[in-house]
Amino acid sequence: QQQVKQSPQSLIVQKGGISIINCAYENTAFDYFPWYQQFPGKGPALLIAIRPDVSEKKEGRFTISFNKSAKQFSLHIMDSQPGDSATYFCAAPSNSNSGYALNFGKGTSLLVTP
Amino acid sequence: GAVVSQHPSRVICKSGTSVKIECRSLDFQATTMFWYRQFPKQSLMLMATSNEGSKATYEQGVEKDKFLINHASLTLSTLTVTSAHPEDSSFYICSVPTLTYGYTFGSGTRLTVV
Repeated sequence: QQQVKQSPQSLIVQKGGISIINCAYENTAFDYFPWYQQFPGKGPALLIAIRPDVSEKKEGRFTISFNKSAKQFSLHIMDSQPGDSATYFCAAPSNSNSGYALNFGKGTSLLVTP
Repeated sequence: GAVVSQHPSRVICKSGTSVKIECRSLDFQATTMFWYRQFPKQSLMLMATSNEGSKATYEQGVEKDKFLINHASLTLSTLTVTSAHPEDSSFYICSVPTLTYGYTFGSGTRLTVV
């Protein structure tokens, strides 16, 4: 499986601050880069995804920035709220015999303090 | 978006017994589904790709005789953990890829083997 490297491993942000999580990938089957949010005991839920005919996509307080030449993309959470406290995973489609399954980064545990 | 139902959400079984986990795509015909495993505080690791009407493909290191996958129809894939042992205790999650909604995940099954 291709490597998807995610950083930081954990992040503490004050309420109202900006949370930034970074992801780097090697090769990908096709250009589709999602971020998932996962709460304890739940499956991951799609937060936002980009198909890079654009370098940035914004949905509400969440923004993906994409740098194709560097093979990097990042998640920015503006005006972070305590309810955003969760684990965030970046992912990229693998180019293998796995039918283009998503490979995940190791995750970032975000804590937003009041 | 696509809706994926996974059942059961939690199961406790005795060591040596088998457990079946179901993944249903409620509003999308899925020729392919993916099965992941997630240990506590770790990322999602792809176990296998379930293919409707043909054999599943397994990732390196995943025992196909232990984790039996059956993709009986375009809406149902099952994962059976045979002769379960405590080390198989984990969070099992299925995923359905769609063209429109990306990859949708089930809510996961927490398996505890005692």
